[in-house]
Amino acid sequence: DGGITQSPKYLFRKEGQNVTLSCEQNLNHDAMYWYRQDPGQGLRLIYYSQIVNDFQKGDIAEGYSVSREKKESFPLTVTSAQKNPTAFYLCASSPRLANTGELFFGEGSRLTVL
Amino acid sequence: GQQVMQIPQYQHVQEGEDFTTYCNSSTTLSNIQWYKQRPGGHPVFLIQLVKSGEVKKQKRLTFQFGEAKKNSSLHITATQTTDVGTYFCAGPGAGSYQLTFGKGTKLSVIP
Repeated sequence: DGGITQSPKYLFRKEGQNVTLSCEQNLNHDAMYWYRQDPGQGLRLIYYSQIVNDFQKGDIAEGYSVSREKKESFPLTVTSAQKNPTAFYLCASSPRLANTGELFFGEGSRLTVL
Repeated sequence: GQQVMQIPQYQHVQEGEDFTTYCNSSTTLSNIQWYKQRPGGHPVFLIQLVKSGEVKKQKRLTFQFGEAKKNSSLHITATQTTDVGTYFCAGPGAGSYQLTFGKGTKLSVIP
């Protein structure tokens, strides 16, 4: 089945630790995104990538880093510099950039910082 | 920057009642998209509207895009318990590659 796979689903981290969230898609989509969702909030864009080896900051990129070494993979690292990392993280992809077409979301990764 | 406002934030309805959520953008939108997120789930694309004044229907759901392309609405006729979830609108700004989401309207349906 085609889709987006995020792992892990749940993750606990101690303060001061970096953590990497995985996102893999087999939809052959060019564009990939990372969003953060907090309770009662909409989705806020962290980073997005149009093509391999290229990515752009979204609205809340501070404390996060990404890479796009392969078309199907777009991992997100939540660094210790992120002041409030506890949140639900959603990875998405689209055939082209989001301003022209729908986003396909993964099931999300819920990060809790202890 | 661009802001997308959605109202109401919460809506509780009796099963069978109608429901409407409204979306307003601070800037003109080239298109608007609607997503539904079930409790504990991830957002799922419902529809995209592109033309000024456009109206689209999906069974009991009616989507409208305003004439000025700055607002939109989603209306559900005769709600069912399967309609429970949070409905988000999202739109790119003119010339922007980013998609800005509203905060969503959380719909609860009382059986």
